[in-house]
Amino acid sequence: QAGLTQPPSVSKGLRQTATLTCTGNINNVGYQGAAWLQQHQGHPPKLLSYRNNNRPSEISGRFSASRSGNTASLTITGLQPEDEADYYCSAWDSSLRGWVFGGGTKLTVL
Amino acid sequence: QVHLVESGGGVVQPGRSLRLSCAASGFTFSSYAMQWVRQAPGKGLEWVAVISFDGNKEYYADSVKGRFTISRDNSKNTLYLQMNSLRIEDTAVYYCAREDPTPFDYWGQGTLVTVSS
Repeated sequence: QAGLTQPPSVSKGLRQTATLTCTGNINNVGYQGAAWLQQHQGHPPKLLSYRNNNRPSEISGRFSASRSGNTASLTITGLQPEDEADYYCSAWDSSLRGWVFGGGTKLTVL
Repeated sequence: QVHLVESGGGVVQPGRSLRLSCAASGFTFSSYAMQWVRQAPGKGLEWVAVISFDGNKEYYADSVKGRFTISRDNSKNTLYLQMNSLRIEDTAVYYCAREDPTPFDYWGQGTLVTVSS
């Protein structure tokens, strides 16, 4: 199953803004957009956003998602120490008839 | 409060079978599609399979197609994953997650499957 492309790591300073990217194709990200998940070590993933910028009510407004063509982005403003985690994007692939994931981006807050 | 609890993981030899269960509570299980996602040690997330709310549609990742079967018993609020012909590369934590309309909105804690001789 062809995956989505995410940068392996991103480092930003405390209270700065980080933008994570996720590149797919017209059959997945370009089809219905992406979901974004946050995973802290030893814990299950947590949904941050789905179909571009639909955010569960309990998720902070510091997290916002968008899409341009076949690339989805997750922007995290006012970085906090607890934002240090792995971030995954995922999208339904209409051609493969399944979900595809990105390899994940490890976000380090300096 | 939504709760998903996986069970059935363990150590199994290559070529053998294992069945995972995911007990759901706190929501109308029969109204939601459900899926399995796995994560090999130190690796990223990999989607495994999804099943429709009524069990009539199933989709699988190429890596497990023909070996794994997803099913559900709505009368027991339970999701299953039957894993046959297990390979070393199937070693992972297996999570169940709720699907449509909001994908991945709730996850279980996961159950570890280790395939080793």
